[in-house]
Amino acid sequence: GENVEQHPSTLSVQEGDSAVIKCTYSDSASNYFPWYKQELGKRPQLIIDIRSNVGEKKDQRIAVTLNKTAKHFSLHITETQPEDSAVYFCAAMLRSSASKIIFGSGTRLSIRP
Amino acid sequence: EPEVTQTPSHQVTQMGQEVILRCVPISNHLYFYWYRQILGQKVEFLVSFYNNEISEKSEIFDDQFSVERPDGSNFTLKIRSTKLEDSAMYFCASSEALLGAFFGQGTRLTVV
Repeated sequence: GENVEQHPSTLSVQEGDSAVIKCTYSDSASNYFPWYKQELGKRPQLIIDIRSNVGEKKDQRIAVTLNKTAKHFSLHITETQPEDSAVYFCAAMLRSSASKIIFGSGTRLSIRP
Repeated sequence: EPEVTQTPSHQVTQMGQEVILRCVPISNHLYFYWYRQILGQKVEFLVSFYNNEISEKSEIFDDQFSVERPDGSNFTLKIRSTKLEDSAMYFCASSEALLGAFFGQGTRLTVV
């Protein structure tokens, strides 16, 4: 089955700097990659996603890139702000199976003022 | 904005007891999921449900677990005989199509 590896597990960046979180997946058939943000004690919230027919997608300060050949995908947050502090999870899904989203282990992002 | 709602927010139960966790998915969504998250760990897939039947389940989802959509709005997870290791946050999620799922606020299950 699908396995998603995520790193780093913790990341601390200065406010205003960029943060990058990287993930790899094992099942080459996976074709949908959502990213979730989870603040302490709250639900995971979908913040951006990318499908396998696209190499990059951007939404304001966040962007995702996908390298299907290498089975890598990444989240980029620019101009980080204190409210970006949270745990971020990457995930992978095989859309045609209607089944499951497999999550990475999470990255705890801390923004230093 | 519509959201997935879960009840109760916190459930304390004795080991061996049955619990039912309830969820109301977003109304036009067709795909339903249960996930769990042990404190400080990653979100783990339990089961997916579509067209009134289980689509897929993980190895965690053993015979102690069952899901049901008893009416047009509710989606429940039953744990028949709870164990200490079942203590976790349980999230229900739903999606309209085969895209990212939207999560409920979770039920914190504590087995004592």
